[in-house]
Amino acid sequence: GAVVSQHPSWVICKSGTSVKIECRSLDFQATTMFWYRQFPKQSLMLMATSNEGSKATYEQGVEKDKFLINHASLTLSTLTVTSAHPEDSSFYICSVLLGIAKNIQYFGAGTRLSVL
Amino acid sequence: QKEVEQDPGPLSVPEGAIVSLNCTYSNSAFQYFMWYRQYSRKGPELLMYTYSSGNKEDGRFTAQVDKSSKYISLFIRDSQPSDSATYLCAMSEENYGQNFVFGPGTRLSVLP
Repeated sequence: GAVVSQHPSWVICKSGTSVKIECRSLDFQATTMFWYRQFPKQSLMLMATSNEGSKATYEQGVEKDKFLINHASLTLSTLTVTSAHPEDSSFYICSVLLGIAKNIQYFGAGTRLSVL
Repeated sequence: QKEVEQDPGPLSVPEGAIVSLNCTYSNSAFQYFMWYRQYSRKGPELLMYTYSSGNKEDGRFTAQVDKSSKYISLFIRDSQPSDSATYLCAMSEENYGQNFVFGPGTRLSVLP
């Protein structure tokens, strides 16, 4: 069954608005979650690592004020795209670390963001 | 040299063929090796994972890891059109997901 729930699956918004994407771990606690971005026919690009109860760690080149990450509980991390622009249109995917040694990532179904 | 390299594809095979997907890597500290399948506009789905060297079989899928050669493979037997997707290899070090790295992915098309 699904390990991670991501919502919404598709969102369309106007330029300048903010969009929130939720990532929930199901039936387990996830102290670490990851957020990725993927453009068509390209591989995953890690945006940030979300740690419960602390600030997220952003990859080089990712604007932390643009992509706000909140991991306030052990089962929920949110990514907010602030003041979205058409160039932010992309596929956003979250994942959690699981496994005995927490070395395996399980992914959400992804969110397709279209900014008009 | 990139940390993980993967056959670029795209790869097209007829239904029923045996498919071989491969990745090479340079970091000898990698201990966990994974294969993900990603359908268009969906999140990656974990297919197989292997710890250290060896083979692992699950139905039509077999994962092989050769740490001495820094080479991993995924074999798909009796390929089906539903196997058409992008396949990503991934690997990580021992310590709680440190340095988790994905390959760029191989697009596979299985033609009926």
